[in-house]
Amino acid sequence: GAVVSQHPSWVICKSGTSVKIECRSLDFQATTMFWYRQFPKQSLMLMATSNEGSKATYEQGVEKDKFLINHASLTLSTLTVTSAHPEDSSFYICSARMGYEQYFGPGTRLTVT
Amino acid sequence: AQSVTQPDIHITVSEGASLELRCNYSYGATPYLFWYVQSPGQGLQLLLKYFSGDTLVQGIKGFEAEFKRSQSSFNLRKPSVHWSDAAEYFCAVGEGSNYQLIWGAGTKLIIKP
Repeated sequence: GAVVSQHPSWVICKSGTSVKIECRSLDFQATTMFWYRQFPKQSLMLMATSNEGSKATYEQGVEKDKFLINHASLTLSTLTVTSAHPEDSSFYICSARMGYEQYFGPGTRLTVT
Repeated sequence: AQSVTQPDIHITVSEGASLELRCNYSYGATPYLFWYVQSPGQGLQLLLKYFSGDTLVQGIKGFEAEFKRSQSSFNLRKPSVHWSDAAEYFCAVGEGSNYQLIWGAGTKLIIKP
């Protein structure tokens, strides 16, 4: 149990376009979902915390107009990278909280050309 | 501010040898502590967690960790490593009403044949 999926697992897009990443909790309801970014050989950097039905809370330095987060239901959160640029290329990971624990999706590799 | 320190960026261990990965935290209250493993190209997998009770925690894949409040530590151990244990290991502390995770920088485990 406690499975989290992410889609797509990898995506290549052109500079200036937008990309949407989906995060779903498959067998549980998650009040809170988190979005992380991970650079090569580095730890996870929390981008935002999203609670169902309310606006996401962004970490300092994360542009909320660039990284749009929608948490419309207890099982789905989406991250949209708007007007993507090569510096947005990264590994994006979501997690869904149940109780004290977070369950992680497999991640999405975004490459902006 | 809460923080998690993993002092070793990488550790090299011979296959079959014992392993200890260090983790120190700074947190005012009783911490929720986690160890995760991330293999190349893989998502994060929870190895074990500590919330309360017995300070020696058993996890998956033969790992264990001991919570020592006096030393603010939660070191991960394994009596005999296997080549498949080569991966990145992250220690984390949960905090706040959303149990947001504070991450260590990670320790890369290299296994010598």
